[in-house]
Amino acid sequence: QQKVQQSPESLIVPEGAMTSLNCTFSDSASQYFAWYRQHSGKAPKALMSIFSNGEKEEGRFTIHLNKASLHFSLHIRDSQPSDSALYLCAVSMGTGNYKYVFGAGTRLKVIA
Amino acid sequence: EAAVTQSPRNKVAVTGGKVTLSCNQTNNHNNMYWYRQDTGHGLRLIHYSYGAGSTEKGDIPDGYKASRPSQENFSLILELATPSQTSVYFCASGDEGGQNTLYFGAGTRLSVL
Repeated sequence: QQKVQQSPESLIVPEGAMTSLNCTFSDSASQYFAWYRQHSGKAPKALMSIFSNGEKEEGRFTIHLNKASLHFSLHIRDSQPSDSALYLCAVSMGTGNYKYVFGAGTRLKVIA
Repeated sequence: EAAVTQSPRNKVAVTGGKVTLSCNQTNNHNNMYWYRQDTGHGLRLIHYSYGAGSTEKGDIPDGYKASRPSQENFSLILELATPSQTSVYFCASGDEGGQNTLYFGAGTRLSVL
């Protein structure tokens, strides 16, 4: 059974800082990797996803994926107070198996 | 944006009672999911479906049943509710193509007393 773990559990950073969130998974056959963000009292919402080794950047957000290390990460440049939320990583086996397994989350607080 | 609607938004049930949580999506997505969210556990998959008439067990299916009578609707059924099922439940739909992004409903807060 797929195991997905996130670190750290919580993080406090000053406004303008770089934030790095980590996610490890157990099944090397995994194909889809995504980050979701959940503001307090709201539904999770997709942030970014990646399917092949390497890096993908969208605005202030960057995902790194290293399948050999069973690890992917999310980096937030110039963190803002509005980025304060619960960040969830999710892993799926891909085509034919669209079951997504989520990590327990990292709670991020950005202080002004 | 994709629309997923859950009902009810809040529910108080008695131990041993039957609870049905409903989910409707207007995205024409084949895949639908039920997750529960508890502090320290993130989102845990209960049941999912690849289309009308199909249901699959997720990682924590015990005590839950699911029903997918149509493309649009996916229900989660607690036949004999227990206090351990007190949680926030999220329904989601996902498209198979491209990124298979999940679109979540607003959640149902269930308390079993």
